[in-house]
Amino acid sequence: GQSLEQPSEVTAVEGAIVQINCTYQTSGFYGLSWYQQHDGGAPTFLSYNGLDGLEETGRFSSFLSRSDSYGYLLLQELQMKDSASYFCAVRAYQTGANNLFFGTGTRLTVIP
Amino acid sequence: KAGVTQTPRYLIKTRGQQVTLSCSPISGHRSVSWYQQTPGQGLQFLFEYFSETQRNKGNFPGRFSGRQFSNSRSEMNVSTLELGDSALYLCASSGTGSMNTEAFFGQGTRLTVV
Repeated sequence: GQSLEQPSEVTAVEGAIVQINCTYQTSGFYGLSWYQQHDGGAPTFLSYNGLDGLEETGRFSSFLSRSDSYGYLLLQELQMKDSASYFCAVRAYQTGANNLFFGTGTRLTVIP
Repeated sequence: KAGVTQTPRYLIKTRGQQVTLSCSPISGHRSVSWYQQTPGQGLQFLFEYFSETQRNKGNFPGRFSGRQFSNSRSEMNVSTLELGDSALYLCASSGTGSMNTEAFFGQGTRLTVV
């Protein structure tokens, strides 16, 4: 099976930087993804790391260390609209396919 | 390009009943996955279908089942509903290829069992 751990809640100030960590245990690991979900909305894709290192997409960056089974999402220049839940998810190969398995999510609250 | 469409958006059912939820993936996507989302539990993987075949199944009882049609549309069925089945059910579609890294989610079906 898979297990992922991430903090349940994080609060940060508008304009600041916040890092959301994720540790995982799984077999058949392909890569680590991050999704954002606003209240009442659908999860939307933010980033994917298949290899070790940092991936940058605008204000968001994601990091993966396969040897440590660890990754993080870094949000810079926080805006109020970044208040949402953030999920890390492993792409892992099981019988016949690789699928996405999610953590329980981190609720980010951005305060003025 | 139309996104993932789930119907209905909301459902209220009584314990013991059964329910069928529908998901139409993005055109050209052949993989459809289903998830159950409850507060504090995140998104729990139910099953994944590809070309009308179930490839993987999560740790859910046999009351949860699904199928996929030749046009890639998928349905999931929950029989003998229990109060604990109240949740948001999300489906996600993905493209093909060894590096299909992104899943596209529908808005979900909010199921309430009373």
